[in-house]
Amino acid sequence: GAVVSQHPSWVICKSGTSVKIECRSLDFQATTMFWYRQFPKQSLMLMATSNEGSKATYEQGVEKDKFLINHASLTLSTLTVTSAHPEDSSFYICSALGGADYNEQFFGPGTRLTVL
Amino acid sequence: GQNIDQPTEMTATEGAIVQINCTYQTSGFNGLFWYQQHAGEAPTFLSYNVLDGLEEKGRFSSFLSRSKGYSYLLLKELQMKDSASYLCAVLDSNYQLIWGAGTKLIIKP
Repeated sequence: GAVVSQHPSWVICKSGTSVKIECRSLDFQATTMFWYRQFPKQSLMLMATSNEGSKATYEQGVEKDKFLINHASLTLSTLTVTSAHPEDSSFYICSALGGADYNEQFFGPGTRLTVL
Repeated sequence: GQNIDQPTEMTATEGAIVQINCTYQTSGFNGLFWYQQHAGEAPTFLSYNVLDGLEEKGRFSSFLSRSKGYSYLLLKELQMKDSASYLCAVLDSNYQLIWGAGTKLIIKP
């Protein structure tokens, strides 16, 4: 089946630093990827939709200058949390659209970010 | 390797009860999530089980048996709006989410 990976799986950083999270589709090409954020025992909150070769579409309330998304190739999208603060600590999950009709979402394992 | 199994598709009748099973084999266990996802929308959190037993939340209940590596989501008094995909995901020992492929539930009148 389709596999999506994320790197790193766990990151701890100091307040004010920037953190880049990678999302890769390992065995298929994904023109569309999604970035989610999850707080403990809560729904995945869609942050943005990432389209290869174009600017990401951000959900209302998500700061595009703080959460930089780059979808430079058909297998890689990156999310950079700029000037991270403790309130940015969360579980970040990506997914990629794939399948025969490109209407199935395949989820990555998530990246746990802790900002000190 | 790590594996989550759930049926690909299920069909049920409006007003009835349906049980969606999920079996898992993972390196460690830190909880199991059930999500509902309507086409074109983000998944919605339904339940989180980390201890054995049944947790009831309105029309939805979730059961976990850690010794058997098994969970089920029970939906009662089915409504047409319950037609969706239901995703099972396990948090492993590294706190990584291992996702099932999802079960597409079709509700018929």
